[in-house]
Amino acid sequence: EVQLVESGGGLVQPGGSLRLSCEASGFTFSNYNMNWVRQAPGKGLEWLSHISSSSSNIYYADSVKGRFIISRDDAKSSFYLQMNSLRAEDTAVYFCARDADDFWSGYFDSWGQGTLVTVSS
Amino acid sequence: QSALTQPPSVSGSPGQSVSISCTGTSSDVGSYNRVSWYQQSPGTAPKLIIYRVTNRPSGVPDRFSGSKSGNTASLTISGLQAEDEADYYCSSYTSRTTSRVFGGGTKLTVL
Repeated sequence: EVQLVESGGGLVQPGGSLRLSCEASGFTFSNYNMNWVRQAPGKGLEWLSHISSSSSNIYYADSVKGRFIISRDDAKSSFYLQMNSLRAEDTAVYFCARDADDFWSGYFDSWGQGTLVTVSS
Repeated sequence: QSALTQPPSVSGSPGQSVSISCTGTSSDVGSYNRVSWYQQSPGTAPKLIIYRVTNRPSGVPDRFSGSKSGNTASLTISGLQAEDEADYYCSSYTSRTTSRVFGGGTKLTVL
């Protein structure tokens, strides 16, 4: 069974940093492209970032470009989102999601349960 | 403002059919057969229900179907059941910003 488990969320002050992790199991992690998606309280879904299976292709939404960094460690079946210069508007539940294809054709076929990030003083 | 436009809400009675539209542009929905749909119940993660416009993952009832015409994709749910009450989101790749985008979401109420 495919499982994705996020961790690392919490309360952080504006301007601070946080690192989210997503640990995968039930499939050959190194073969898959992965994504981060977030959902602000009471709002819709927002795609944030994609990392290819080889880490050769990385993409970011304009809203986080230059502040967030995606990475992966296939040996640990995990990937990460380093979030810097956090703002109040980054407050959201952050989901990790597996891509069923490449960046241009893909769709999110498995999701984690989400981890809440709250940016507040 | 979301890149893909969905109606905020739709409703229907049990047994009826409802459709949810997802309108984009020639940079996304109109150019690629890569629209996917997700169902999200309160407090839970989204679940893939349609991919590549018309395809259903295994385990998704055939009451759920997808289609596309021009720049608008649609999700149709036939034989509505109480358990279908949820939020629904469409998604696509867009060449305009080289990114993945979601619609704003549609809340389905089963009356």
